Amino acid sequence: DQQVKQNSPSLSVQEGRISILNCDYTNSMFDYFLWYKKYPAEGPTFLISISSIKDKNEDGRFTVFLNKSAKHLSLHIVPSQPGDSAVYFCAASVSTSGTYKYIFGTGTRLKVLA
Amino acid sequence: DVKVTQSSRYLVKRTGEKVFLECVQDMDHENMFWYRQDPGLGLRLIYFSYDVKMKEKGDIPEGYSVSREKKERFSLILESASTNQTSMYLCASSFTVQNTGELFFGEGSRLTVL
Repeated sequence: DQQVKQNSPSLSVQEGRISILNCDYTNSMFDYFLWYKKYPAEGPTFLISISSIKDKNEDGRFTVFLNKSAKHLSLHIVPSQPGDSAVYFCAASVSTSGTYKYIFGTGTRLKVLA
Repeated sequence: DVKVTQSSRYLVKRTGEKVFLECVQDMDHENMFWYRQDPGLGLRLIYFSYDVKMKEKGDIPEGYSVSREKKERFSLILESASTNQTSMYLCASSFTVQNTGELFFGEGSRLTVL
């Protein structure tokens, strides 16, 4: 039962254009949503997050949008750069056992073409 | 600089061997997590711990156990390694009171079971 889904395994975008990565979830109890970026042979690094009570959060070239009614979030990267080529994971946090755990999606491999 | 250190980057073990994967964090985080990453499956939670000597099963605990004797150290144990446990293993940590993201990951341990 995949609670966090990334239906596009890969995406290619021209340098300078917008990259849009999508994520769907099923659990309405998730209270924070996060995006992580992962290069090969490295651990994931935190990119940006959004609270479930907001619909947009922006940090430089990265913006995350949350549509609660559709249980959908997206990450926009503008403008895309070759260094953005990586695997992007969507994640959600949920309260459990007095703390929080994080559920990750399957990832989308972004390739930014120079 | 915050740091999560995994003891081995690459391991090769034989079927039936006992395997220890060690993880140490220097941020005084209460929570620690073990994930495995497999192509097409994303990051799946194996076990997590919210305090010393406390542990909770994640989504795929079968075949694994954990140990948290000290706050900074979280070990993943494969009692009898099998070929389907060949994977990238990722350790992470976070504060309990903060669920805004910022799961800090180690660089990963790639385990091959022959």
